[in-house]
Amino acid sequence: EDQVTQSPEALRLQEGESSSLNCSYTVSGLRGLFWYRQDPGKGPEFLFTLYSAGEEKEKERLKATLTKKESFLHITAPKPEDSATYLCAVQRGGADGLTFGKGTHLIIQP
Amino acid sequence: GAVVSQHPSRVICKSGTSVKIECRSLDFQATTMFWYRQFPKQSLMLMATSNEGSKATYEQGVEKDKFLINHASLTLSTLTVTSAHPEDSSFYICSARKGLGTTVRDTFGSGTRLTVV
Repeated sequence: EDQVTQSPEALRLQEGESSSLNCSYTVSGLRGLFWYRQDPGKGPEFLFTLYSAGEEKEKERLKATLTKKESFLHITAPKPEDSATYLCAVQRGGADGLTFGKGTHLIIQP
Repeated sequence: GAVVSQHPSRVICKSGTSVKIECRSLDFQATTMFWYRQFPKQSLMLMATSNEGSKATYEQGVEKDKFLINHASLTLSTLTVTSAHPEDSSFYICSARKGLGTTVRDTFGSGTRLTVV
């Protein structure tokens, strides 16, 4: 059974304080690993897709990396507007839906 | 960009009634649509996979007679919660998939908060 575990569950940072969120996964035949951002009462918003170990992708203050067992979402010099829940998900088969972790609730204090 | 519209955003219904939730991809034709459910402080759980013109595929433990899915076109899927009960109260979210094979992008709707009283 596919499993996705995210840590920490919650993280409070000061504005400008960089950190990393972790996503550990077990899946037979990873097709893709996805990062999404979710604001309260909203649907997830796509951030990145990673396909193979060693791959990295960046967008503004966020950088996602992937190994064979885990992925990291690095946030550099965060701002209060980066506060949200960050979700990690894996896709196994080409036609399969996504298996999500519980997310990391990130709060950036001014 | 890809936009998915989901309606209604909130619904309160009486126990025993049915509720229909609509999911539309506005600017693309989706190869597949998915329905998820999210309980407070829990992860999104896949309920079913929906393809246009064919029967939906349900995940283990999801009652297909309770959660009816109709996929009328490449841009529209509906989820009907039949004979709803308080334990069905949850946040329901749809997604529409663009692309095939190794490069897919799932765009999510804004979700529907269902409260059964």
